[in-house]
Parts: sequence; C-alpha cells; structure tokens
Amino acid sequence: GAVVSQHPSRVICKSGTSVKIECRSLDFQATTMFWYRQFPKQSLMLMATSNEGSKATYEQGVEKDKFLINHASLTLSTLTVTSAHPEDSSFYICSARDDRWAYNSPLHFGNGTRLTVT
Amino acid sequence: QKEVEQDPGPLSVPEGAIVSLNCTYSNSAFQYFMWYRQYSRKGPELLMYTYSSGNKEDGRFTAQVDKSSKYISLFIRDSQPSDSATYLCAMSHTDKLIFGTGTRLQVFP
Repeated sequence: GAVVSQHPSRVICKSGTSVKIECRSLDFQATTMFWYRQFPKQSLMLMATSNEGSKATYEQGVEKDKFLINHASLTLSTLTVTSAHPEDSSFYICSARDDRWAYNSPLHFGNGTRLTVT
Repeated sequence: QKEVEQDPGPLSVPEGAIVSLNCTYSNSAFQYFMWYRQYSRKGPELLMYTYSSGNKEDGRFTAQVDKSSKYISLFIRDSQPSDSATYLCAMSHTDKLIFGTGTRLQVFP
C-alpha cells in the first residue's frame, strides 16, 4: 500500500518551454502533497506544500510564478515548471501523506522526475 | 548551522558487517524521526519511523533516538550488497520533514 506514482520519470525540454509533472496517490487520499527538489549528492529541499482545493504554500526562495502547483483532487497534484532554463535542471520528487494518518506520519515518495533543460 | 547534520560518506563496508549511520540535529522541538533509503535515480523509501527517544527494531534494522544528545542512529546488521544506497535521516515536529544530506553506503561482496 501507500504507493505514489510520479510521471514522467524523465523529461528533456528546450529552454523557454514549460514542463508538467504529475504526482498521484494510487491507493490513498492525500489532502496534502509536498514537492521536493534534489541536486546531485545533496539532500531533498522542500519547494512547496500542495493543498487540495487551495493555493500551495511555497518555501522561501522558491518562485511561485515559475513553479506552478495545482492540487485539483485528493489523489493528484501537478507541478509545472514554466519557461524552463538550464538551471532548473534537477531531480524533482513529490510525496504524499495518507489522510487517514496523523499530520506527523511519514511521507510516501514518488520515484522522481529527472528534468533536463537544454 | 544546518538543522540536521549527516555525514555524506561514502561509507564502504564488506558484506556481513554492522553498519552505523548517524544524524545530529539542533532543533529540540523535533519529535518524529525517520530513516529513508534511496537508490540511485529513485525516490526515498521509508525504512524506520520512531517517536521520541528509544529504540525500534525491524528485521536487520535498528533505529535509535537520543533526544538529550540530539542524536539519532540507524544500525544495519548483516549488511548485504543490496543495502548499497543512500540513507537519509528525516525529522519533524510539524507536517514538514527536514532531511539530512544522506549517507552513501556501499556494501561490497
């Protein structure tokens, strides 16, 4: 149980284009999902908290107009990297918490999306 | 100072060795502690979840939390080559997790 599916696993795009990444909780509902970014050999950095039916909460230093988050249902959150540039190349990982469990219960992660902007 | 400190390694051990992985933290409000394992190009996978101080064992894995020292550990007994991965500690006192940088472990046959 507690499977989080993330798609695509890898994407290559040209500078200036936009890329959408999907994150789905397959066997549970998740009012809250989290988006992380990970650089090589570095830890996961929280970018934003995605809330179903309301605006996402962004961490300090994360441009909300560049990283658009939509959480339209209890099982789907999307991250759109708008007008991507090479410095946006990174590993993006989503995570979700099962609504049946407390706010402090562990997160379940997707397998990440490797974004390369050329 | 980072909230969570973790030696990035790499740590290289022979098969069958006992592995000790550690994290220190500065925020005394942290109450929930987790260890995740991450294989290359994959998302983190939850290994252990503990609340407050104490020990928790699950198969070959033992997690220890010492809140007085702000120190947590993960022990892996009888390590296997398949344990080769990056191990991330994580902790929280709210709904957000704060991660360590991860320790890269290599278990050689």
